[in-house]
Amino acid sequence: GNSVTQMEGPVTLSEEAFLTINCTYTATGYPSLFWYVQYPGEGLQLLLKATKADDKGSNKGFEATYRKETTSFHLEKGSVQVSDSAVYFCALTSSNDYKLSFGAGTTVTVRA
Amino acid sequence: EAGVAQSPRYKIIEKRQSVAFWCNPISGHATLYWYQQILGQGPKLLIQFQNNGVVDDSQLPKDRFSAERLKGVDSTLKIQPAKLEDSAVYLCASSLGASGGNTDTQYFGPGTRLTVL
Repeated sequence: GNSVTQMEGPVTLSEEAFLTINCTYTATGYPSLFWYVQYPGEGLQLLLKATKADDKGSNKGFEATYRKETTSFHLEKGSVQVSDSAVYFCALTSSNDYKLSFGAGTTVTVRA
Repeated sequence: EAGVAQSPRYKIIEKRQSVAFWCNPISGHATLYWYQQILGQGPKLLIQFQNNGVVDDSQLPKDRFSAERLKGVDSTLKIQPAKLEDSAVYLCASSLGASGGNTDTQYFGPGTRLTVL
């Protein structure tokens, strides 16, 4: 079946630091890859997605590239802000399993 | 555009009691999902509906959990009787595609936080 492994947290950074959250996956069929974010007190929101190999998803300064050869979808942001403090989830679906399979989530705290 | 609505936002019950959660998906979304998110873990699918039919309920504990989606719009998830290990956030999500294709984005509601004492 499908599974996602993402970097354990928590991660604490200073404002303007570089953020990377590693995510690797195993999947049957052809996967689509997602990053969801959960801000404090709010529901899950889609941050970005990529549906085929070598696609780059981007939003709000975050980027992730779908790497089929390394089965990875690492999330990066060049300069974080306090408002980026949240829990980040890597997830996937595949062509023969439409449900989202999530990683355990990574808690990111950005200090001013 | 209104998002996915869920109620209640919080519920506290004692073990062996019953509880029900309600979800109203985004208008026009054919596919509806219920996920369970235990503290410190990622969400796990309980059941998926396409219109008013069940697509996947393989991970639903059917001895105590039930769900329905009448008329292909709103949905309710029920637990009867509740156990301590059911304490979690229950998330409802919806997506546009009639077939729930794997490239579709799933949009999540705010969730219902259930505490079983």
